[in-house]
Amino acid sequence: DGGITQSPKYLFRKEGQNVTLSCEQNLNHDAMYWYRQDPGQGLRLIYYSQIVNDFQKGDIAEGYSVSREKKESFPLTVTSAQKNPTAFYLCASSTPSRTSTDTQYFGPGTRLTVL
Amino acid sequence: AQSVAQPEDQVNVAEGNPLTVKCTYSVSGNPYLFWYVQYPNRGLQFLLKYITGDNLVKGSYGFEAEFNKSQTSFHLKKPSALVSDSALYFCAVRENGYNKLIFGAGTRLAVHP
Repeated sequence: DGGITQSPKYLFRKEGQNVTLSCEQNLNHDAMYWYRQDPGQGLRLIYYSQIVNDFQKGDIAEGYSVSREKKESFPLTVTSAQKNPTAFYLCASSTPSRTSTDTQYFGPGTRLTVL
Repeated sequence: AQSVAQPEDQVNVAEGNPLTVKCTYSVSGNPYLFWYVQYPNRGLQFLLKYITGDNLVKGSYGFEAEFNKSQTSFHLKKPSALVSDSALYFCAVRENGYNKLIFGAGTRLAVHP
């Protein structure tokens, strides 16, 4: 899991609540990513950021929001608009993709359960 | 559009036997291919990647993968499986010039004593 930390490890949310998942990296990577993992579906990209103060939607961005105010941090907010938020959330980081050889390194994940 | 297929949901191998986990891909340009492993309730760990050069790529924990352009495959292999290799394995592809990794659905490897 390297120099990427995610907190909390487990998170429980009531329906209608917004929650924020933390992701911090000390690898000096410019790019950061959020994925969602559901059983049997692999990983799907929610949002990614190549540089501070910039981010792009991934394949399943609806109901989620992010910010990138610092290079080290890329928090993900799961809003009440996300219809099925129960999942395992993984954060990753990499060197800038323009190098064409970047490898994404993953944090330990946060398991979110909606009660 | 980019895609990755892992045709086997589960692979069962006896300890000490060779193992293969299959992956095929579809991209329009040059592919960058990756293998990751995931243990229960953990993040993904990078195993190896193919960017260019030799078709046989060696990675962590004794794993290797063979890139076959004509068959658009990137199968993961290990000569002698260990019980501790039991985990979920993901193949991923990134097309040259794009930012996103596309992951396969994963293959669960079970190594029996």
